[in-house]
Amino acid sequence: NAGVTQTPKFRVLKTGQSMTLLCAQDMNHEYMYWYRQDPGMGLRLIHYSVGEGTTAKGEVPDGYNVSRLKKQNFLLGLESAAPSQTSVYFCASSWDGQGWGTDTQYFGPGTRLTVL
Amino acid sequence: GNSVTQMEGPVTLSEEAFLTINCTYTATGYPSLFWYVQYPGEGLQLLLKATKADDKGSNKGFEATYRKETTSFHLEKGSVQVSDSAVYFCALSEGGAQKLVFGQGTRLTINP
Repeated sequence: NAGVTQTPKFRVLKTGQSMTLLCAQDMNHEYMYWYRQDPGMGLRLIHYSVGEGTTAKGEVPDGYNVSRLKKQNFLLGLESAAPSQTSVYFCASSWDGQGWGTDTQYFGPGTRLTVL
Repeated sequence: GNSVTQMEGPVTLSEEAFLTINCTYTATGYPSLFWYVQYPGEGLQLLLKATKADDKGSNKGFEATYRKETTSFHLEKGSVQVSDSAVYFCALSEGGAQKLVFGQGTRLTINP
């Protein structure tokens, strides 16, 4: 049981380049999330998904796109990277569809992205 | 909108000292409250949570009580260890998708 995995772990881009970050979970979770972590600002939600084929905007969605074609995967894309997108990106997932109430979010190890 | 405010860091303590990290929140409705911990080079992991007023979450010697009247969820531990050195995040969940709103994090360093 790997939990939540993220690919790649590190990446350096030049301004204007594009890339996709991959998140995968093996817990059969319905909900998945992408956050960015910046010094002194905690984590901020970029986009999230409540099920396969669905996506929604979070607090800081500009400059990012996402897709959830398969339940276990959630992709985060940067079409034209900017230095302001230098950050650590975390994926998380929650809720296996059983029962009600507040479920724990499980986080991946993060991707450190630098945009030059 | 909803928000979470944590005490400014960093915090440095000696081993076996008493720890308090303050957390207050602003929210409409009655959110669930969480403390997450991030060890160096790792992702976040849940430390404890409380889902309604007056609930106490506890784990690994850490405790926090959901105080609706003071909109607070302060983290406490009676005797810290070097292995508790990490960044601690207070958070609340909002909406049907249980999205998390985080505080800015508090870096804790415990010296032997």
